[in-house]
Amino acid sequence: DAKTTQPPSMDCAEGRAANLPCNHSTISGNEYVYWYRQIHSQGPQYIIHGLKNNETNEMASLIITEDRKSSTLILPHATLRDTAVYYCIVRVATGTYKYIFGTGTRLKVLA
Amino acid sequence: GAVVSQHPSRVICKSGTSVKIECRSLDFQATTMFWYRQFPKQSLMLMATSNEGSKATYEQGVEKDKFLINHASLTLSTLTVTSAHPEDSSFYICSARFTSYEQYFGPGTRLTVT
Repeated sequence: DAKTTQPPSMDCAEGRAANLPCNHSTISGNEYVYWYRQIHSQGPQYIIHGLKNNETNEMASLIITEDRKSSTLILPHATLRDTAVYYCIVRVATGTYKYIFGTGTRLKVLA
Repeated sequence: GAVVSQHPSRVICKSGTSVKIECRSLDFQATTMFWYRQFPKQSLMLMATSNEGSKATYEQGVEKDKFLINHASLTLSTLTVTSAHPEDSSFYICSARFTSYEQYFGPGTRLTVT
């Protein structure tokens, strides 16, 4: 599985958009980009995933660059409850489907 | 989303004893479940992949005789930490594969070995 690189921490003002970047320069053509978040002492929560196209759901938007070597998770209107560690994961589309977690980004939403 | 539960949520045991942690998919059948370990302020580390009806596949460096995994049904996988020691104290998290694209995580089990 491709390795991901994320900034260790970010701050965001409440109500503003939070843009979390992820580099996955060694991603292969059949590997998906997944985003999960983990609030303290809980299991990770699924946010969104994509292959090539940009994706949007009720929680967030995922922007994947054309060369697929990086992506950005966008939380459009961050709230205090969005404070968490956000993990970007690249996962192969077949086989075991296992995830290899990187170090993640600790997002702190400020009032 | 689909629900995965773990039991117990917290356990304290004495050094040298064994502890069993259960992972259940409550509203779906999971042919594949995963077990992770997480130390404080660190990321999740995959320990093993558990397939229903077959032996688990362990990641490099994880002792299969110490961390026994059983996946006897499509809704239940168990992790037994044998002869636990204080260094095994950690947050253990399971996940279950829902579809080819989705994997849901349990709430985690905090193990403290005294």
